[in-house]
Amino acid sequence: GESVGLHLPTLSVQEGDNSIINCAYSNSASDYFIWYKQESGKGPQFIIDIRSNMDKRQGQRVTVLLNKTVKHLSLQIAATQPGDSAVYFCAENYGGATNKLIFGTGTLLAVQP
Amino acid sequence: EAGVAQSPRYKIIEKRQSVAFWCNPISGHATLYWYQQILGQGPKLLIQFQNNGVVDDSQLPKDRFSAERLKGVDSTLKIQPAKLEDSAVYLCASSPPTGGTDTQYFGPGTRLTVL
Repeated sequence: GESVGLHLPTLSVQEGDNSIINCAYSNSASDYFIWYKQESGKGPQFIIDIRSNMDKRQGQRVTVLLNKTVKHLSLQIAATQPGDSAVYFCAENYGGATNKLIFGTGTLLAVQP
Repeated sequence: EAGVAQSPRYKIIEKRQSVAFWCNPISGHATLYWYQQILGQGPKLLIQFQNNGVVDDSQLPKDRFSAERLKGVDSTLKIQPAKLEDSAVYLCASSPPTGGTDTQYFGPGTRLTVL
Protein backbone atom coordinates (compact mmCIF):
# COMPACT_ATOMS: atom_id res chain seq x y z
CA GLY A 1 0.00 0.00 0.00
CA GLU A 2 1.09 3.54 -0.48
CA SER A 3 2.21 5.64 2.42
CA VAL A 4 0.39 8.57 3.95
CA GLY A 5 3.56 9.30 5.86
CA LEU A 6 5.48 11.34 3.31
CA HIS A 7 6.88 14.57 4.80
CA LEU A 8 5.48 13.67 8.22
CA PRO A 9 7.36 13.71 11.51
CA THR A 10 8.39 10.14 12.29
CA LEU A 11 8.73 8.35 15.60
CA SER A 12 10.63 5.08 15.46
CA VAL A 13 10.35 2.73 18.46
CA GLN A 14 11.25 -0.84 19.32
CA GLU A 15 8.49 -3.37 19.80
CA GLY A 16 7.54 -3.50 23.48
CA ASP A 17 8.67 0.04 24.24
CA ASN A 18 6.28 2.83 25.16
CA SER A 19 5.53 5.50 22.54
CA ILE A 20 4.66 9.14 23.09
CA ILE A 21 3.20 11.17 20.24
CA ASN A 22 2.80 14.89 20.72
CA CYS A 23 0.47 17.44 19.21
CA ALA A 24 0.10 21.20 19.54
CA TYR A 25 -3.38 22.55 18.93
CA SER A 26 -4.28 26.00 17.80
CA ASN A 27 -7.50 27.21 19.38
CA SER A 28 -7.71 27.86 23.11
CA ALA A 29 -11.50 27.68 22.80
CA SER A 30 -11.43 24.05 21.59
CA ASP A 31 -13.21 21.84 24.08
CA TYR A 32 -12.93 18.34 22.64
CA PHE A 33 -9.94 16.47 21.30
CA ILE A 34 -9.58 13.16 19.49
CA TRP A 35 -6.71 10.94 18.47
CA TYR A 36 -7.11 9.01 15.23
CA LYS A 37 -4.96 6.23 13.79
CA GLN A 38 -4.65 5.93 10.03
CA GLU A 39 -3.12 2.85 8.43
CA SER A 40 -1.97 2.91 4.85
CA GLY A 41 -4.92 2.83 2.44
CA LYS A 42 -7.52 3.18 5.18
CA GLY A 43 -9.60 5.94 6.71
CA PRO A 44 -8.80 7.40 10.15
CA GLN A 45 -9.84 5.16 13.03
CA PHE A 46 -10.94 6.58 16.39
CA ILE A 47 -8.57 5.73 19.25
CA ILE A 48 -9.44 7.89 22.23
CA ASP A 49 -10.92 11.27 23.05
CA ILE A 50 -10.77 13.77 25.87
CA ARG A 51 -12.82 16.79 26.83
CA SER A 52 -11.35 20.06 28.03
CA ASN A 53 -12.57 19.56 31.61
CA MET A 54 -10.13 16.65 31.96
CA ASP A 55 -6.35 16.46 31.80
CA LYS A 56 -5.93 12.70 31.46
CA ARG A 57 -7.90 9.80 30.08
CA GLN A 58 -6.92 6.16 29.80
CA GLY A 59 -8.00 3.46 27.42
CA GLN A 60 -6.69 0.04 26.60
CA ARG A 61 -2.90 0.52 26.25
CA VAL A 62 -3.42 4.19 25.41
CA THR A 63 -3.45 7.34 27.51
CA VAL A 64 -4.18 10.88 26.36
CA LEU A 65 -2.85 13.86 28.28
CA LEU A 66 -4.15 17.38 27.81
CA ASN A 67 -2.30 20.52 28.87
CA LYS A 68 -4.55 23.47 28.16
CA THR A 69 -2.03 25.99 29.49
CA VAL A 70 0.35 25.34 26.60
CA LYS A 71 -2.26 23.92 24.20
CA HIS A 72 -0.58 20.54 24.05
CA LEU A 73 -1.94 17.05 23.63
CA SER A 74 -0.07 13.77 23.86
CA LEU A 75 -0.88 10.14 23.12
CA GLN A 76 0.96 7.47 25.04
CA ILE A 77 0.93 3.89 23.76
CA ALA A 78 2.12 1.23 26.18
CA ALA A 79 4.01 -1.86 25.00
CA THR A 80 3.98 -0.77 21.37
CA GLN A 81 3.25 -3.55 18.89
CA PRO A 82 3.93 -3.85 15.14
CA GLY A 83 0.19 -3.40 14.53
CA ASP A 84 0.48 0.07 16.02
CA SER A 85 2.52 1.23 13.02
CA ALA A 86 0.46 3.96 11.36
CA VAL A 87 0.05 7.71 11.08
CA TYR A 88 -1.50 9.28 14.17
CA PHE A 89 -3.52 12.50 13.97
CA CYS A 90 -4.81 14.69 16.72
CA ALA A 91 -7.97 16.64 16.00
CA GLU A 92 -9.55 19.52 17.89
CA ASN A 93 -13.19 20.45 17.97
CA TYR A 94 -13.89 24.13 18.01
CA GLY A 95 -17.19 23.48 19.76
CA GLY A 96 -20.58 24.88 18.90
CA ALA A 97 -23.28 23.28 16.83
CA THR A 98 -21.18 22.25 13.85
CA ASN A 99 -18.94 19.61 15.49
CA LYS A 100 -16.16 20.77 13.16
CA LEU A 101 -12.83 18.96 13.53
CA ILE A 102 -9.48 20.50 12.67
CA PHE A 103 -6.77 17.92 12.13
CA GLY A 104 -3.10 18.30 12.92
CA THR A 105 -0.28 17.32 10.57
CA GLY A 106 0.14 13.78 11.82
CA THR A 107 3.01 11.66 13.10
CA LEU A 108 4.20 8.45 11.52
CA LEU A 109 4.85 5.75 14.14
CA ALA A 110 7.23 3.06 12.91
CA VAL A 111 7.55 0.03 15.19
CA GLN A 112 10.73 -1.99 14.74
CA PRO A 113 10.47 -5.72 15.56
CA GLU B 1 -22.56 -2.55 12.98
CA ALA B 2 -21.55 -1.78 9.39
CA GLY B 3 -19.15 1.10 8.94
CA VAL B 4 -19.17 4.00 6.52
CA ALA B 5 -19.15 2.74 2.93
CA GLN B 6 -17.54 4.59 0.05
CA SER B 7 -17.16 3.89 -3.65
CA PRO B 8 -15.22 3.73 -5.80
CA ARG B 9 -12.04 3.06 -3.85
CA TYR B 10 -9.80 4.34 -6.63
CA LYS B 11 -10.36 6.63 -9.59
CA ILE B 12 -7.98 7.93 -12.24
CA ILE B 13 -9.14 10.70 -14.59
CA GLU B 14 -7.70 13.30 -16.91
CA LYS B 15 -7.79 16.95 -15.91
CA ARG B 16 -10.97 18.76 -16.94
CA GLN B 17 -12.97 15.54 -16.66
CA SER B 18 -15.75 15.01 -14.14
CA VAL B 19 -15.89 12.53 -11.29
CA ALA B 20 -18.36 11.55 -8.58
CA PHE B 21 -17.92 9.78 -5.27
CA TRP B 22 -20.57 8.02 -3.24
CA CYS B 23 -20.94 7.60 0.53
CA ASN B 24 -23.33 5.59 2.68
CA PRO B 25 -23.02 6.57 6.36
CA ILE B 26 -23.54 4.39 9.42
CA SER B 27 -27.23 3.65 9.86
CA GLY B 28 -28.93 6.26 12.01
CA HIS B 29 -26.15 8.83 11.75
CA ALA B 30 -27.71 12.17 10.91
CA THR B 31 -24.50 14.07 10.28
CA LEU B 32 -22.31 13.37 7.27
CA TYR B 33 -18.98 14.94 6.38
CA TRP B 34 -16.78 15.00 3.29
CA TYR B 35 -13.06 15.57 3.81
CA GLN B 36 -10.16 16.01 1.40
CA GLN B 37 -6.83 14.50 2.44
CA ILE B 38 -3.82 15.46 0.38
CA LEU B 39 -0.88 13.07 0.68
CA GLY B 40 1.13 13.79 3.82
CA GLN B 41 -1.51 16.03 5.40
CA GLY B 42 -4.42 15.69 7.78
CA PRO B 43 -7.99 15.59 6.48
CA LYS B 44 -9.59 18.93 5.67
CA LEU B 45 -13.36 19.37 5.93
CA LEU B 46 -15.07 20.21 2.65
CA ILE B 47 -18.75 20.03 3.61
CA GLN B 48 -20.95 18.92 6.49
CA PHE B 49 -24.59 17.83 6.26
CA GLN B 50 -27.13 17.54 9.04
CA ASN B 51 -29.78 15.23 7.58
CA ASN B 52 -30.22 16.71 4.09
CA GLY B 53 -29.24 20.28 4.98
CA VAL B 54 -25.80 21.87 4.63
CA VAL B 55 -24.28 22.97 7.97
CA ASP B 56 -20.83 24.07 6.78
CA ASP B 57 -19.47 24.32 3.23
CA SER B 58 -17.07 27.20 3.84
CA GLN B 59 -14.07 25.27 2.48
CA LEU B 60 -15.77 23.69 -0.51
CA PRO B 61 -14.48 25.12 -3.85
CA LYS B 62 -17.95 25.76 -5.13
CA ASP B 63 -16.85 26.67 -8.64
CA ARG B 64 -15.99 23.01 -9.25
CA PHE B 65 -17.13 20.93 -6.30
CA SER B 66 -20.71 20.07 -5.42
CA ALA B 67 -22.30 17.71 -2.95
CA GLU B 68 -25.77 16.55 -2.16
CA ARG B 69 -27.61 14.38 0.35
CA LEU B 70 -31.10 14.46 -1.05
CA LYS B 71 -32.82 11.91 1.21
CA GLY B 72 -30.71 12.52 4.29
CA VAL B 73 -28.87 9.20 3.99
CA ASP B 74 -26.47 8.60 1.08
CA SER B 75 -24.37 11.42 -0.30
CA THR B 76 -22.48 12.15 -3.49
CA LEU B 77 -19.53 14.51 -3.99
CA LYS B 78 -18.82 15.70 -7.53
CA ILE B 79 -15.88 17.49 -9.09
CA GLN B 80 -16.40 19.17 -12.45
CA PRO B 81 -13.97 19.93 -14.02
CA ALA B 82 -11.10 18.30 -12.14
CA LYS B 83 -7.70 19.93 -11.74
CA LEU B 84 -4.34 18.35 -11.04
CA GLU B 85 -4.39 19.71 -7.47
CA ASP B 86 -7.60 17.76 -6.75
CA SER B 87 -5.53 14.58 -6.54
CA ALA B 88 -6.18 13.40 -2.98
CA VAL B 89 -8.11 10.91 -0.88
CA TYR B 90 -11.73 11.91 -0.36
CA LEU B 91 -13.00 10.69 2.98
CA CYS B 92 -16.57 10.45 4.13
CA ALA B 93 -17.42 10.39 7.83
CA SER B 94 -20.61 10.26 9.86
CA SER B 95 -21.61 10.93 13.45
CA PRO B 96 -24.73 10.18 15.49
CA PRO B 97 -27.52 12.72 16.02
CA THR B 98 -26.86 13.46 19.67
CA GLY B 99 -25.73 17.01 19.05
CA GLY B 100 -22.62 18.80 20.26
CA THR B 101 -19.29 17.01 20.12
CA ASP B 102 -19.76 13.58 18.61
CA THR B 103 -17.15 11.11 17.46
CA GLN B 104 -16.83 11.01 13.69
CA TYR B 105 -16.43 7.60 12.06
CA PHE B 106 -14.59 7.49 8.75
CA GLY B 107 -14.96 5.37 5.66
CA PRO B 108 -11.97 3.92 3.74
CA GLY B 109 -11.84 6.84 1.31
CA THR B 110 -11.67 7.22 -2.45
CA ARG B 111 -8.20 7.86 -3.86
CA LEU B 112 -8.45 10.25 -6.82
CA THR B 113 -5.58 10.72 -9.24
CA VAL B 114 -5.91 13.52 -11.80
CA LEU B 115 -3.49 13.26 -14.73
